[in-house]
Amino acid sequence: AQSVTQLDSHVSVSEGTPVLLRCNYSSSYSPSLFWYVQHPNKGLQLLLKYTSAATLVKGINGFEAEFKKSETSFHLTKPSAHMSDAAEYFCVVSDLSGGSYIPTFGRGTSLIVHP
Amino acid sequence: IAGITQAPTSQILAAGRRMTLRCTQDMRHNAMYWYRQDLGLGLRLIHYSNTAGTTGKGEVPDGYSVSRANTDDFPLTLASAVPSQTSVYFCASSASTGSAQYFGPGTRLLVL
Repeated sequence: AQSVTQLDSHVSVSEGTPVLLRCNYSSSYSPSLFWYVQHPNKGLQLLLKYTSAATLVKGINGFEAEFKKSETSFHLTKPSAHMSDAAEYFCVVSDLSGGSYIPTFGRGTSLIVHP
Repeated sequence: IAGITQAPTSQILAAGRRMTLRCTQDMRHNAMYWYRQDLGLGLRLIHYSNTAGTTGKGEVPDGYSVSRANTDDFPLTLASAVPSQTSVYFCASSASTGSAQYFGPGTRLLVL
């Protein structure tokens, strides 16, 4: 069975400082991994995805994530936070189950950016 | 290009009533999904469909049913609503299961 753990429910940073949102997963096969962002009262938007190509994945808005199989982690980073990055972030693992790839969401990390 | 549309945007519903949430995509995606989002729990999968004519149960399917008569539409029905079904419901689609999902704007449902 697959699962996703986002290690922090809230992360608070100052504008211009680095961002680290942590995600650990478990899966039975070779999963696909995703990060999505949800701004207040909005739908979800894809930030980036890992699908067994390069382990360092670049996404939109300067975000990137590194797939580390030995640590079963897929942490999201950004070198310099911007006020517009304040949002809820979800890590998702999609793994094979009964012939279909079933997505499982983490509980989310709220990123707070201080001026 | 609309992407995914959901209707209604919001609804207040009396307990025991039947309700259908509508979802339509224009991207010709094979896979579609319904999630509910509750504070502190992230998004939980209710039902999904790999392709038109097939559906499957997700993590929290009880009290909900779906159908997939064609590629574009994936309605979610609450046969007899209960207050615990108060939530924000998101529909999503992807080219295939396992690929990136595209989400609709959501439906806020309050069951009293």
